[in-house]
Amino acid sequence: DQQVKQNSPSLSVQEGRISILNCDYTNSMFDYFLWYKKYPAEGPTFLISISSIKDKNEDGRFTVFLNKSAKHLSLHIVPSQPGDSAVYFCAASGGKTSYDKVIFGPGTSLSVIP
Amino acid sequence: EPEVTQTPSHQVTQMGQEVILRCVPISNHLYFYWYRQILGQKVEFLVSFYNNEISEKSEIFDDQFSVERPDGSNFTLKIRSTKLEDSAMYFCASTPDRVGSPLHFGNGTRLTVT
Repeated sequence: DQQVKQNSPSLSVQEGRISILNCDYTNSMFDYFLWYKKYPAEGPTFLISISSIKDKNEDGRFTVFLNKSAKHLSLHIVPSQPGDSAVYFCAASGGKTSYDKVIFGPGTSLSVIP
Repeated sequence: EPEVTQTPSHQVTQMGQEVILRCVPISNHLYFYWYRQILGQKVEFLVSFYNNEISEKSEIFDDQFSVERPDGSNFTLKIRSTKLEDSAMYFCASTPDRVGSPLHFGNGTRLTVT
């Protein structure tokens, strides 16, 4: 069941540069998308979300872009900071999947190099 | 900021034994969830709970699993007869409402079945 895909298991970026994390989904009924960040030994922490009626949502250094026709979303972090080093999960919910069941991608491990 | 708290942080049990994982959701939240993450794999939905009943469950959540909200604050996950493959991080989460609200996760219980 690969409804939410994150094809890059890891990403390394220099401090101060932009980090771009990508996510693809297969279920066209999803209408709410989220990004979570996870540090070791902690639970996932909500970062930013976007509804399917929008194509962009921005919160400080974090911007999420949604391309519904391509079933693709991305998270941009600019400028990247060493404290951003974590695993980032893309997640989706809604439609036939129902709001009760948030589907997570496998995660991308981001390393920001000082 | 209010937190979801989970106890214990690590539970070791023998195969066939019953375990109860405990969670205290954020106090004004109404929807409660259990997710799990097997080492190296993605975060998987187990069950959602609202108004003292299960609202949705995954195929993982078979007859060996049960959830309960025994009082106004605790939310528990019971595994009746643990198997080796139940070894995972179990995350509890809660939200104040259903649509468009991100999950607030606890830091998880690491369950090791030997």
